[in-house]
Amino acid sequence: EAGVTQFPSHSVIEKGQTVTLRCDPISGHDNLYWYRRVMGKEIKFLLHFVKESKQDESGMPNNRFLAERTGGTYSTLKVQPAELEDSGVYFCASSQDSGLAGGVQETQYFGPGTRLLVL
Amino acid sequence: KNQVEQSPQSLIILEGKNCTLQCNYTVSPFSNLRWYKQDTGRGPVSLTIMTFSENTKSNGRYTATLDADTKQSSLHITASQLSDSASYICVVRGYGNNRLAFGKGNQVVVIP
Repeated sequence: EAGVTQFPSHSVIEKGQTVTLRCDPISGHDNLYWYRRVMGKEIKFLLHFVKESKQDESGMPNNRFLAERTGGTYSTLKVQPAELEDSGVYFCASSQDSGLAGGVQETQYFGPGTRLLVL
Repeated sequence: KNQVEQSPQSLIILEGKNCTLQCNYTVSPFSNLRWYKQDTGRGPVSLTIMTFSENTKSNGRYTATLDADTKQSSLHITASQLSDSASYICVVRGYGNNRLAFGKGNQVVVIP
């Protein structure tokens, strides 16, 4: 079974440019998450999709970030325009259950991440 | 202040030796705690998961403990191997929500 895949693996762009990251979750996983790790910091939640709907987008830093999941399959995360502080590793994860019931032992499977550098 | 604190930040150990990583958290109410292993250039992979009622959980040479009263967890690596070199991340889920709180990770380097 294929795991979570992300594209591209690396991206180097200039401040002000646009970048679009893609995530393909594990087939059949309704839940898809985006996370970001800025250098020297812990991984932080960005948003959560259930199928094509945004369940929780409270972690999105600002309106320069736009996430979509049309059709409930793959997801894209667009940064427009990119700023220097957007540099970091962007992880995508997927799971069958969301864990909202509390105590449900869902497992989030992570992709390898996209390393974004904004110059 | 981060809700999940890990120590030590990094350590170097000789192949074959044991080591213990620490995680303290403030997430409340608590649902479960996972230890993830992240190899360089890869995404985190779940090693163990423990809920409130579980005190210890093993996965091969990895043994995790949990004290929900003191909000502490540890990950013990027995007879370390070179392939254990990685970042070990403590991740805590609060009860009734789907957001995870991550520690910064313990960077472990195993040398021959």
